[in-house]
Amino acid sequence: DAGITQSPRYKITETGRQVTLMCHQTWSHSYMFWYRQDLGHGLRLIYYSAAADITDKGEVPDGYVVSRSKTENFPLTLESATRSQTSVYFCASSERLRGSSYNSPLHFGNGTRLTVT
Amino acid sequence: KQEVTQIPAALSVPEGENLVLNCSFTDSAIYNLQWFRQDPGKGLTSLLLIQSSQREQTSGRLNASLDKSSGRSTLYIAASQPGDSATYLCAVRLQTGGFKTIFGAGTRLFVKA
Repeated sequence: DAGITQSPRYKITETGRQVTLMCHQTWSHSYMFWYRQDLGHGLRLIYYSAAADITDKGEVPDGYVVSRSKTENFPLTLESATRSQTSVYFCASSERLRGSSYNSPLHFGNGTRLTVT
Repeated sequence: KQEVTQIPAALSVPEGENLVLNCSFTDSAIYNLQWFRQDPGKGLTSLLLIQSSQREQTSGRLNASLDKSSGRSTLYIAASQPGDSATYLCAVRLQTGGFKTIFGAGTRLFVKA
């Protein structure tokens, strides 16, 4: 089925380890986003990408790295995981529109629950 | 600083009731407001998006309104069903800061059969 697929669904890792969360979309949407969802903070934007090889920081980018070599993939890497990065991570996408792409709706994947011990 | 508030935080209603969920925001400089539903352990599903120039959007039993000047939006659900039980979030996309979108904390809805 078309849509956004995130993997893994659950991940437990240790402090200091590198971990990569995968995101794949089949809509050929230009824009892709990474959010984290935490109790008390709601959803916050980590990074986003307007196209392949174009990425930009969101509200909470520290400790994360992204890349986008292909339109359909947008992996998120935690270079050295910390306990404060325990969260649920959501990938989202939206299409490029004529006029304002800011008015394109966000479509989300099912999330990755990451626990850092 | 833009803040998005959703009231009530939780709501329990009997099946068949019409209900209204509220969302307020402090800065009217927005591109749009989007309503989502989130089921436990799942991602967010887009329900409706209202552009800043629009007053309302409808989809099936859902109707969302936007009053940008007063910083308010409502999501009206007609003839509620147990399958509507979920958390409903609103989010505003700011006109400043690229694709910055601020989310409310959500209203947890439970529809009793």
